[in-house]
Amino acid sequence: GAVVSQHPSWVICKSGTSVKIECRSLDFQATTMFWYRQFPKQSLMLMATSNEGSKATYEQGVEKDKFLINHASLTLSTLTVTSAHPEDSSFYICSAPNQPDTQYFGPGTRLTVL
Amino acid sequence: ILNVEQSPQSLHVQEGDSTNFTCSFPSSNFYALHWYRWETAKSPEALFVMTLNGDEKKKGRISATLNTKEGYSYLYIKGSQPEDSATYLCAFGGGGTSYGKLTFGQGTILTVHP
Repeated sequence: GAVVSQHPSWVICKSGTSVKIECRSLDFQATTMFWYRQFPKQSLMLMATSNEGSKATYEQGVEKDKFLINHASLTLSTLTVTSAHPEDSSFYICSAPNQPDTQYFGPGTRLTVL
Repeated sequence: ILNVEQSPQSLHVQEGDSTNFTCSFPSSNFYALHWYRWETAKSPEALFVMTLNGDEKKKGRISATLNTKEGYSYLYIKGSQPEDSATYLCAFGGGGTSYGKLTFGQGTILTVHP
């Protein structure tokens, strides 16, 4: 139980295009999901909290207009990187809480912007 | 900015060796300390969630301890096996408005040689 999937697992896009990443909780419902990113040689950093039925909340320094988050249902959150640039190239990973105090992670998405 | 540090950054051991890693974290606004095991191209796997000072948890050959007053946790692996090779992450979980949000260390990369 407690499986979280992400799609796609990797994506390459041209600068200026938008990319959508999906995060799904497969066997449980999640009113909240979290999005993290990891740059090379750095730790996972929280970007934003996705809330079902309400707006996402963003961590300091994360542009909400650039990283659009939609929590469409109790099992799906999407992160759209708008007008992607090479500096947005990173590893993006989502998590969802299930059992008390435990976060379950997806396998992540590697984004490369050319 | 919360500071979560792990040491060592990487570790090479022989099969059968026992090993341990350290995670240091802030002692204020503490709610939980998480340990994850992360293999390449897979989702991070939750090993332990520890909330109480003095907590000790065990899962097979892996165990962890927690000292919230001084802000550190140890992860131990007894009789390492090649399949234990992975990156081990610790993450600090705060309370209050930070509940659910994790601050990660950079991880310890463990390689177990047959």
